[in-house]
Amino acid sequence: QKEVEQDPGPLSVPEGAIVSLNCTYSNSAFQYFMWYRQYSRKGPELLMYTYSSGNKEDGRFTAQVDKSSKYISLFIRDSQPSDSATYLCAMGLVTGTASKLTFGTGTRLQVTL
Amino acid sequence: NAGVMQNPRHLVRRRGQEARLRCSPMKGHSHVYWYRQLPEEGLKFMVYLQKENIIDESGMPKERFSAEFPKEGPSILRIQQVVRGDSAAYFCASSPGQGQLSGYTFGSGTRLTVV
Repeated sequence: QKEVEQDPGPLSVPEGAIVSLNCTYSNSAFQYFMWYRQYSRKGPELLMYTYSSGNKEDGRFTAQVDKSSKYISLFIRDSQPSDSATYLCAMGLVTGTASKLTFGTGTRLQVTL
Repeated sequence: NAGVMQNPRHLVRRRGQEARLRCSPMKGHSHVYWYRQLPEEGLKFMVYLQKENIIDESGMPKERFSAEFPKEGPSILRIQQVVRGDSAAYFCASSPGQGQLSGYTFGSGTRLTVV
C-alpha cells in the first residue's frame, strides 16, 4: 500500500464548476499537508499548506484535512481554464533530520470553456 | 529575487555516460532537496542536503547516484553510467531551514533523457 493515494484522473469540468480533489494517507505521523499545482513541463508550485485538521481558505481555494480519517481535500470554486494543471497532494513530517515530503501521484485537471 | 535555478533544463545522455544536474537554491535558503518524477508517477524524495553535509539520503539509489552541496556553488546531483531507467524529470527544492516546509520552493526541473 502506498503511503499517499491520489486519484490520477484526468478530471474534466466546465468553467465555473466546483472541483474536489482528494488524497488519503496511511502514515498517522504526517504533520504537514500541502497542495501543489504543476503546469506541464514546470516545477510544482505551492498552493496551500496546513498543519491541523479543519478547513483553510485562500481565495477560490479551500484545503480540508481530516486527520481521524487520514483524508485531505482541495476544493476549487469558480474554476477557470487557467486552473488546468496537475494537482499534487504532499505530506511531510519533521522529526530529527527528516524534512521530506511524500507526494501523491497527482490528479490531472482540465477546465473547459 | 530569483527562485530555485536548475540547469540544464534538458539533458540527453547516451547509456553509460555521466549526467550532472545543478541546482542553485533561493537566496537565503540553506537547505536543498532533490526529487525524481517518473512518467505518470508522483515526485519521489531522493536526498536532503545542507552546505557540505548530506542530511538524509534514504531515497537515493545505492549505486551510481551521488549528491553534494559544497560551501561555494550549486548543489550537484551526479548520475554515473546512466541507464534508460534513469530518464525522468529531476526537481530540486530549497527551504530556509529544517522544518520550514511552508517555504519549500521547487525549481523548474531538469529533464534527463537517456538514449
